[in-house]
Amino acid sequence: KAGVTQTPRYLIKTRGQQVTLSCSPISGHRSVSWYQQTPGQGLQFLFEYFSETQRNKGNFPGRFSGRQFSNSRSEMNVSTLELGDSALYLCASSFPLAGEQETQYFGPGTRLLVL
Amino acid sequence: QKEVEQNSGPLSVPEGAIASLNCTYSDRGSQSFFWYRQYSGKSPELIMFIYSNGDKEDGRFTAQLNKASQYVSLLIRDSQPSDSATYLCAVDRGSTLGRLYFGRGTQLTVWP
Repeated sequence: KAGVTQTPRYLIKTRGQQVTLSCSPISGHRSVSWYQQTPGQGLQFLFEYFSETQRNKGNFPGRFSGRQFSNSRSEMNVSTLELGDSALYLCASSFPLAGEQETQYFGPGTRLLVL
Repeated sequence: QKEVEQNSGPLSVPEGAIASLNCTYSDRGSQSFFWYRQYSGKSPELIMFIYSNGDKEDGRFTAQLNKASQYVSLLIRDSQPSDSATYLCAVDRGSTLGRLYFGRGTQLTVWP
């Protein structure tokens, strides 16, 4: 079974631009979570989508947004990029079942550099 | 108090030794616990999960959970240089949909 895929893998943008990152979950997985990883802050939760609905959101400004499509693929968008947005953006997919642990599997990540 | 704390490291052990990685968590209602391995420049890779008190073994890896002490650990037996990576402890609090709480990670180096 194919793993989580993310595109693009690397991205260079300048301040003020916007960017869209894509994530395709493992086949059959319906939940996609997004995280930002930086050396200073570690892994920080952005948001999670399940069946096209955002169920949970982390403490990030409104410049960070996302969506999920009917095939469970997800995109996240960052508008008005800032230097501090430079990070590794990770998505993780899972197949949450009521009452069971939600095991998340990560994609390879998109490394974003903002100049 | 941070949600998840790990021994800061870095941890350095010789090849063949046992590496012990520790993690504590603050939310007593936490239900599931995960260990991820992250090589430099790569994404986290799931090693093990545990949700019942006690030990869980998978090959050279053993996860230990003590909910009363809010403590989870990972033991790596017969450590190999290929085990050199950052190990991330993650906690599912059960009430926060789709969100895992991660520690900052412990960097492990296994020297030949």
